[in-house]
Amino acid sequence: EAGVAQSPRYKIIEKRQSVAFWCNPISGHATLYWYQQILGQGPKLLIQFQNNGVVDDSQLPKDRFSAERLKGVDSTLKIQPAKLEDSAVYLCASSLSGSGTGELFFGEGSRLTVL
Amino acid sequence: QKEVEQNSGPLSVPEGAIASLNCTYSDRGSQSFFWYRQYSGKSPELIMSIYSNGDKEDGRFTAQLNKASQYVSLLIRDSQPSDSATYLCAVIVSGSNYKLTFGKGTLLTVNP
Repeated sequence: EAGVAQSPRYKIIEKRQSVAFWCNPISGHATLYWYQQILGQGPKLLIQFQNNGVVDDSQLPKDRFSAERLKGVDSTLKIQPAKLEDSAVYLCASSLSGSGTGELFFGEGSRLTVL
Repeated sequence: QKEVEQNSGPLSVPEGAIASLNCTYSDRGSQSFFWYRQYSGKSPELIMSIYSNGDKEDGRFTAQLNKASQYVSLLIRDSQPSDSATYLCAVIVSGSNYKLTFGKGTLLTVNP
């Protein structure tokens, strides 16, 4: 079974530039998550989708971050304009239906460095 | 007060010893509790889940939950160097649409 795919793995940009990350979840997984993990910290949920609807985006900085999940499958997370503090690993995860079992399957992450 | 708190460590134990990792949570509505393991440069992976008070054992791992004290722990028996990783405690709060909230993790080093 293919895992969660993410791209790009690494990205370096200047502050105020824009960046986009892509995620393709495990086939059949209805719920998709984007987490931000800053070095030395635990993952912080940015947004949670159930199919193509948003379940939780309370911690998404909406003035600069946006995310979409068209057709309820793959998803894109965009940052525009980027700030220095956005340097982090952006983790995409998926689960069958919600995370009642707590079992999220994570991709390898996209590491963003903002200079 | 942070929702999920862990001692960031590092916790260092000799090979073969018992490693004890602790986590406290603030929301009494928390209903489900999980331990994820994250190797350096890798993504988290689920290793244990626990939903009711008491102990749950899986191989060398034992999760312990005390809801009255809002405390959950992970014991690793016969620790191996391959257990060296960051251990993330995570909880789901009832009514949160199954939002999984992580602590900042405890770095464990097992010395040969």
